[in-house]
Amino acid sequence: LAKTTQPISMDSYEGQEVNITCSHNNIATNDYITWYQQFPSQGPRFIIQGYKTKVTNEVASLFIPADRKSSTLSLPRVSLSDTAVYYCLSGGPGTYKYIFGTGTRLKVLA
Amino acid sequence: EAQVTQNPRYLITVTGKKLTVTCSQNMNHEYMSWYRQDPGLGLRQIYYSMNVEVTDKGDVPEGYKVSRKEKRNFPLILESPSPNQTSLYFCASSRRTDSNEQFFGPGTRLTVL
Repeated sequence: LAKTTQPISMDSYEGQEVNITCSHNNIATNDYITWYQQFPSQGPRFIIQGYKTKVTNEVASLFIPADRKSSTLSLPRVSLSDTAVYYCLSGGPGTYKYIFGTGTRLKVLA
Repeated sequence: EAQVTQNPRYLITVTGKKLTVTCSQNMNHEYMSWYRQDPGLGLRQIYYSMNVEVTDKGDVPEGYKVSRKEKRNFPLILESPSPNQTSLYFCASSRRTDSNEQFFGPGTRLTVL
């Protein structure tokens, strides 16, 4: 089970693009990278998942370089409502144990 | 509506008084899991279940029990709660195919006096 490392916190302003990087040096061959968002006193919510290169959905983009030792979650044009904690996880289809860690606390300022 | 429900949402109890937090999902998911969240420690996995009658320990199982007699339910049992089990608890479920997408419940805030 690969451990991930993220910055503890980030600040941004409304309308800016935010990039949160996650390091997963020991990622296994069949591991996916998955990102979650959590608002205070709510359960985490799945944002995006990828294996390699780039994945985009209506909420975010996920960039994974060829060596897969890191990944970047990109949030375009953030708003105040994007203030939350973001978690990066790695794990394969057979993963049953998950390590969420402490995540990255993003604060969006007006 | 597809969802994971937990009950109760808030509970204050005393040391040693057995309690059960229920978790139910209506998505026919095979995988279910319990987490606790504490300030500065993030989310930590307590127990998980791969399917009916199949459970295993997560990172912090001490003081907890679980059972999975039906696919939709995964109760968390604290036989003798202690103050260090005061926490915010989340249940989650996943269909377990080619995705690590978990669906989380609203949380149960437990205080043990």
